[in-house]
Amino acid sequence: ETGVTQTPRHLVMGMTNKKSLKCEQHLGHNAMYWYKQSAKKPLELMFVYNFKEQTENNSVPSRFSPECPNSSHLFLHLHTLQPEDSALYLCASSQDRALAVVRSPLHFGNGTRLTVT
Amino acid sequence: ILNVEQSPQSLHVQEGDSTNFTCSFPSSNFYALHWYRWETAKSPEALFVMTLNGDEKKKGRISATLNTKEGYSYLYIKGSQPEDSATYLCASLLGAGNQFYFGTGTSLTVIP
Repeated sequence: ETGVTQTPRHLVMGMTNKKSLKCEQHLGHNAMYWYKQSAKKPLELMFVYNFKEQTENNSVPSRFSPECPNSSHLFLHLHTLQPEDSALYLCASSQDRALAVVRSPLHFGNGTRLTVT
Repeated sequence: ILNVEQSPQSLHVQEGDSTNFTCSFPSSNFYALHWYRWETAKSPEALFVMTLNGDEKKKGRISATLNTKEGYSYLYIKGSQPEDSATYLCASLLGAGNQFYFGTGTSLTVIP
């Protein structure tokens, strides 16, 4: 049990579909992250939320839209994706970034394997 | 672009062998270095958080060292066991933006 739960585990969607990925953490953390892992590439940070406020957006295309209604939940809304967006999407959480990010490890979910057809 | 590099990319060792791999990162604006173990079909799990030059951390048969002046960290596994088979990731917190930069990982297979 990682304390960070992601759903669904697998998702296949067409390029015209709209879908959402969900992440939930029960660790009392205040920072949540979306990472993308494509084959043979390092984990790429997409978005960061700290105390429900988005603090980083790493030049992610607008077809990816994050939402953080509270410190425990994070969503990634997907719309008109491209086949090259097929990847593993990982959610992570940590303690407050400003105070503890240096010494606080990231806690990851199991990821959502997304395939865009 | 701030590159964090890991070597080797993959490694096969016999059960009982000791092994080590490397993470290299830009030495300027260094804040922290994390090591994670990522087993297939599971989530990455933190092994070590290291911040100070000369840091040495140990957890059971696994240990890590950190050299922030030259920009590298070593992960050592003593007496490898099949359950050590996983991908080992390092991530460095480098300067402005407080973003963790990950390496591509070292995939370790321990052969019984």
